[in-house]
Amino acid sequence: GNSVTQMEGPVTLSEEAFLTINCTYTATGYPSLFWYVQYPGEGLQLLLKATKADDKGSNKGFEATYRKETTSFHLEKGSVQVSDSAVYFCALSDADSWGKLQFGAGTQVVVTP
Amino acid sequence: GAVVSQHPSWVICKSGTSVKIECRSLDFQATTMFWYRQFPKQSLMLMATSNEGSKATYEQGVEKDKFLINHASLTLSTLTVTSAHPEDSSFYICSARRQGAGIEQYFGPGTRLTVT
Repeated sequence: GNSVTQMEGPVTLSEEAFLTINCTYTATGYPSLFWYVQYPGEGLQLLLKATKADDKGSNKGFEATYRKETTSFHLEKGSVQVSDSAVYFCALSDADSWGKLQFGAGTQVVVTP
Repeated sequence: GAVVSQHPSWVICKSGTSVKIECRSLDFQATTMFWYRQFPKQSLMLMATSNEGSKATYEQGVEKDKFLINHASLTLSTLTVTSAHPEDSSFYICSARRQGAGIEQYFGPGTRLTVT
């Protein structure tokens, strides 16, 4: 079956540091890949997505590139802010599964001033 | 656009009682809604997929008689936890897929259920 593996947290960074959260996946087909963010006390929000190999999703300074050869979708941001403190979830959706999302375990990111 | 609400945001109930959680798409029609459960500091676990006007499809290991899902309209799905027990205490999250707009899901803010 499909699965998503992402690095464990918490990840603690200083403001303006570089952030990388690794995400790898296993899927039988050609899934779409997503990063969701959950801010404290709020629901999940779509951060970015990529639907085919070599696509790069980007939003709010975050980027992730769909790498089919390494089955990865790592999230990066060049300079984090305190407001980026949240839990980040990598997810995939297989076209054969009616759009159901398979989530990774989530990575908590804490950015300190 | 694409706002999903849940009601209530927080509920406490006594063991043995039932509680209903509503999920509404406020500004779009949702042919498909999903219900997830999230344990503290853990990921979301899909419980069931609900299509408007038809029976929900439950994931393996989810008791359909315990977690009743109804998707009576294109903007409303409900999850009823029947005969709740303390182990049902969790964070329940719904999401909705916009009609005719691909596979992207829009998430509600979640409902915290505590069973005493």
